[in-house]
Amino acid sequence: NAGVTQTPKFQVLKTGQSMTLQCAQDMNHEYMSWYRQDPGMGLRLIHYSVGAGITDQGEVPNGYNVSRSTTEDFPLRLLSAAPSQTSVYFCASSYSPSGNTGELFFGEGSRLTVL
Amino acid sequence: AQRVTQPEKLLSVFKGAPVELKCNYSYSGSPELFWYVQYSRQRLQLLLRHISRESIKGFTADLNKGETSFHLKKPFAQEEDSAMYYCALCSGGYQKVTFGTGTKLQVIP
Repeated sequence: NAGVTQTPKFQVLKTGQSMTLQCAQDMNHEYMSWYRQDPGMGLRLIHYSVGAGITDQGEVPNGYNVSRSTTEDFPLRLLSAAPSQTSVYFCASSYSPSGNTGELFFGEGSRLTVL
Repeated sequence: AQRVTQPEKLLSVFKGAPVELKCNYSYSGSPELFWYVQYSRQRLQLLLRHISRESIKGFTADLNKGETSFHLKKPFAQEEDSAMYYCALCSGGYQKVTFGTGTKLQVIP
């Protein structure tokens, strides 16, 4: 099993450019989420999804779009990149984020720099 | 709104000394609390969850609803414990998971 796969690992953008961070999981997890990790601010939730066709906003959703057309994929789109979006992005999935089986499985992260 | 607070950005202890990483939460319902760990050059991974009342790698954490805390403890620190530790809260079911800002544990040989 590959687990959670994120691409690309590194990306440099110019202000105003758009891009999509890809996230795929092969564990048949219903729950998927995107976080950004910034120094001193920890992990902040951007968007999450509890199943195909269902998404919801997290703590810092502005400037990001998501969709969930399949169980496996949960791409994160930046429509017009801004320097404030320079960060490390993590995708995470889970069979269930709570209870005795509650465990998030994380990707390796995608480091994005916006100039 | 749910919130997780980890007051220490960095905690340095000597090998063999006790460790306590603090975590306080704010949530009106019955939360589920977790500790995640990120070792150098590795993915973030689950360390333990309060609902299981387990001990992993010598670490334990007890949920104190009166003090709204879920501190992580280990009686004797090891060098391999050096890592970034995150406390996380889930409001149950398929709800969002909120993380604290993290504490870097540095174990000095």
